[in-house]
Amino acid sequence: DQQVKQNSPSLSVQEGRISILNCDYTNSMFDYFLWYKKYPAEGPTFLISISSIKDKNEDGRFTVFLNKSAKHLSLHIVPSQPGDSAVYFCAASSSGSARQLTFGSGTQLTVLP
Amino acid sequence: EAGVAQSPRYKIIEKRQSVAFWCNPISGHATLYWYQQILGQGPKLLIQFQNNGVVDDSQLPKDRFSAERLKGVDSTLKIQPAKLEDSAVYLCASRVEGYGYTFGSGTRLTVV
Repeated sequence: DQQVKQNSPSLSVQEGRISILNCDYTNSMFDYFLWYKKYPAEGPTFLISISSIKDKNEDGRFTVFLNKSAKHLSLHIVPSQPGDSAVYFCAASSSGSARQLTFGSGTQLTVLP
Repeated sequence: EAGVAQSPRYKIIEKRQSVAFWCNPISGHATLYWYQQILGQGPKLLIQFQNNGVVDDSQLPKDRFSAERLKGVDSTLKIQPAKLEDSAVYLCASRVEGYGYTFGSGTRLTVV
């Protein structure tokens, strides 16, 4: 029972263009969503988050959009850079779960120079 | 601020052997998590500690996995006996209330 799904295992984008990574969830109790970035042989590092009371959060080149009715969120990276090439995990938590994170399976982003 | 330290970085063992992983969280972080990440999947929670008490171990295969957090600081995760399907990266993370997770670099376990 996957509560958080990332249906695209991989994505390739040209440098300077927009990268859009998608994530769907099924548990309506989730109220906080996060994106993590992971390089090989390193642990996931926090990128950006959004509370369910918002529909957009922006931090530099990274913007996360939340559509609660569709139970969908997306991460936009503009402009994409080769250093952004990594695996991106979507994660969700709820206040009732002691803030445990439920992760999606990840999307490998490759930014081509 | 020092990050979450984990050791060893890599471990190869034969099935039915035992193995232990160590985690030192960020100083002052009361909450500690162990996650298992199988290749091609997202991290899955195994156990959560609050100080030295277990908050949730419902997804820990207790017939072979055990974990402890002595004095509310360092933690060890043990597998005995290991199975082939335990091959994964074991991630430790710590958190202080109101702030996000910090993950360690993980221990990559290969069971042959």
